[in-house]
Amino acid sequence: KAGVTQTPRYLIKTRGQQVTLSCSPISGHRSVSWYQQTPGQGLQFLFEYFSETQRNKGNFPGRFSGRQFSNSRSEMNVSTLELGDSALYLCASSLATGENFQTPDTQYFGPGTRLTVL
Amino acid sequence: AQKVTQAQTEISVVEKEDVTLDCVYETRDTTYYLFWYKQPPSGELVFLIRRNSFDEQNEISGRYSWNFQKSTSSFNFTITASQVVDSAVYFCALSENPMYPIGGGNKLTFGTGTQLKVEL
Repeated sequence: KAGVTQTPRYLIKTRGQQVTLSCSPISGHRSVSWYQQTPGQGLQFLFEYFSETQRNKGNFPGRFSGRQFSNSRSEMNVSTLELGDSALYLCASSLATGENFQTPDTQYFGPGTRLTVL
Repeated sequence: AQKVTQAQTEISVVEKEDVTLDCVYETRDTTYYLFWYKQPPSGELVFLIRRNSFDEQNEISGRYSWNFQKSTSSFNFTITASQVVDSAVYFCALSENPMYPIGGGNKLTFGTGTQLKVEL
């Protein structure tokens, strides 16, 4: 079974621009989560989508947004880029099981998108 | 608020030595899940183990073993007979499981990671 795929792998943008990152989950996985990894802040949770709805959200400004499509693929968008947005953005997918699909499942991560903001 | 502490920033060992990576967590939830991930230089986080708060049995998988102690809020990871290929950053993570209709799901709180260097 193919793993989580993320495109593009590398991106270079300038301040003020916007960017869209894409994530394709493992086949059959219904939950997609996004994380930001920086040397200073470490790994931080951005948001999670399940059944095309945002189910959880981390403490990031509104410039960070996302969506999930009916095939579970997800995109995240960052508008008005700032230098501090330079990071590795990781996407993870999980089955989503348990009562009301709440049980935290094992998340399987993609290779990430390395975003550099100049 | 949840918190995961990995006090060891970097550990260097010689191949074949045993090494233990420490993880201490804080949570007010009675039900929670703990994870370990490995991040090699390629950047992808590789899942190693998942353990729920009701299962305090230690686990061994090949050269890897995990010691979960609820009384001390610790979930330590030991690599026996380390190898150069074990060199990576290891992250401990905590996920809550709130029992209400809204929320739940997947939201991992990660520690800051431990860089393990295994040298010949």
